Amino acid sequence: QVQLVQSGSQLKKPGASVKVSCKASGYTFTTFSINWVRQAPGQGLEWMGWIDTSSGKPSYAQDFTGRFVFSLDTSVSTAYLQINYLASEDTAVYYCARTYNWRYVSYFDHWGQGTLLTVSS
Amino acid sequence: SYGLTQAPSVSVSPGQTATITCSGENLDDKYVCWYQQQPGQSPLVVIYQDNRRPSGIPERFFGSHSGNTATLTIRETQTIDEADYYCQAWDSGTRDVLFGGGTKLTVL
Repeated sequence: QVQLVQSGSQLKKPGASVKVSCKASGYTFTTFSINWVRQAPGQGLEWMGWIDTSSGKPSYAQDFTGRFVFSLDTSVSTAYLQINYLASEDTAVYYCARTYNWRYVSYFDHWGQGTLLTVSS
Repeated sequence: SYGLTQAPSVSVSPGQTATITCSGENLDDKYVCWYQQQPGQSPLVVIYQDNRRPSGIPERFFGSHSGNTATLTIRETQTIDEADYYCQAWDSGTRDVLFGGGTKLTVL
C-alpha cells in the first residue's frame, strides 16, 4: 500500500535550519509529484509548492520563496523540505502529499503523517 | 492567485444533513476536491473531481459544483464526521493549488 512516512518532530532555535524528510513506498516514486503543505497551530492548510519527482524541478508558492528548498533523493524514494533562517512563525506541522494529476484534475491522494516543527529560543 | 472562501463553522444534529460550501472567482472552470481532517490527523480526501468518492469513503458524502460554488453535503451526519473540512482547487494555468480556509463541522 502507498505510504508516505515523514521524519519526526523537531525543536529548533531561531536562525537555524531544518530538513524534513518524506519517504515514499508502495508505488513508483517518480510517477507522482510531491507537494508540501503547512499548517500553523490552530490554522488551516497552506500550500507551499511542489516538486516534480521525475525531473527534480521544484516550484514554490508565492509566500514560500527564498528560505524554502524542496529536493529529492530518488535512490531512496525520499523528498525533502529544508527551511533556512528559521523564525518563530515557522512553527507548524508540515505535510508532504502525493499528488494525483490527470488533465485538469489534481488532488492529494496520500498524505504523510506530518512533522511538527517548533521554533523557539 | 486567489483564495477560496468557506464558512468557518457549521453545526448539525446527528442524522441530519450538513452542507459546506466553497466559493471563489473563476472556480467554475476548475475541479474541486474536499479533505476531511480529524483532530491530530492528516487530511483525507473525501471528494475529488467535484463529485467523485475515493474507495472507502461512505456514500453519505456527496460533492457538487455549480458556477463559482462547490458544495460538500454529508447526509445522515454522524458524530464521527465531526472534523475540519477543506476545499481545494487547482489552477492548471499557473499550476497553483488553492485551499479554502476550512470549515469546522460540529455534530451535536
